[in-house]
Amino acid sequence: EVQLLESGGGLVQPGGSLRLSCAASGFTFSSYAMSWVRQAPGKGLEWVSTISSGGNTYYADSVKGRFTISRDNSKNTLYVQMSSLRAEDTAVYYCAKRGDPPARPGSYYFDYWGQGTLVTVSS
Amino acid sequence: EIVLTQSPGTLSLSPGERATLSCRASQSVSSSYLAWYQRKPGQATRLLIYGASNRATGIPDRFSGSGSGTDFTLTISRLEPEDFAVYYCHQYGSSPPTFGGGTKVEIK
Repeated sequence: EVQLLESGGGLVQPGGSLRLSCAASGFTFSSYAMSWVRQAPGKGLEWVSTISSGGNTYYADSVKGRFTISRDNSKNTLYVQMSSLRAEDTAVYYCAKRGDPPARPGSYYFDYWGQGTLVTVSS
Repeated sequence: EIVLTQSPGTLSLSPGERATLSCRASQSVSSSYLAWYQRKPGQATRLLIYGASNRATGIPDRFSGSGSGTDFTLTISRLEPEDFAVYYCHQYGSSPPTFGGGTKVEIK
């Protein structure tokens, strides 16, 4: 059974940093692109970042230069390091697994999602 | 970026009724790379449909997706009690990938 468990959320001041983790199990983690998607309070879903199985990284313009996605295949864990946090980064952050069967390279839908971790940026 | 507009915002229906949810894109969705997801409170988001019309593994056949270009539809042929939830569409054919604002299907 595929499981994705996010952790690391919490309250952080504007300008601060936070690292989120997503522990994966039930599939061959190293073979799949993984993504972060967020949902701000009362807003829709927003794609944040993706890392391919080969380590290529992609970012939304809203987080580019501030967030860094990474993965540790030996630990089956996905990360996102968030810095220079702003109030508008307040959201529930979800990790999501690339869907099977895959679309063309660089195009990803998500067949499994975690339950999310809340990040609140406030003074 | 492609903006996805879902309608209606809320759909009030009774169990056994048919639900028709719309997702309209501001530009053509490449390769019909459109997915539908279901979200219920306290549960992980569930993939229903990918590639506009392909049911994901384990999804009942009362769920069907259709459409191409800029207009897509998710149909639930006969609503079961567990189908009352929020549904999101998602285009992944163009960068950045984007999501619709959601349609809530509630019990009438």
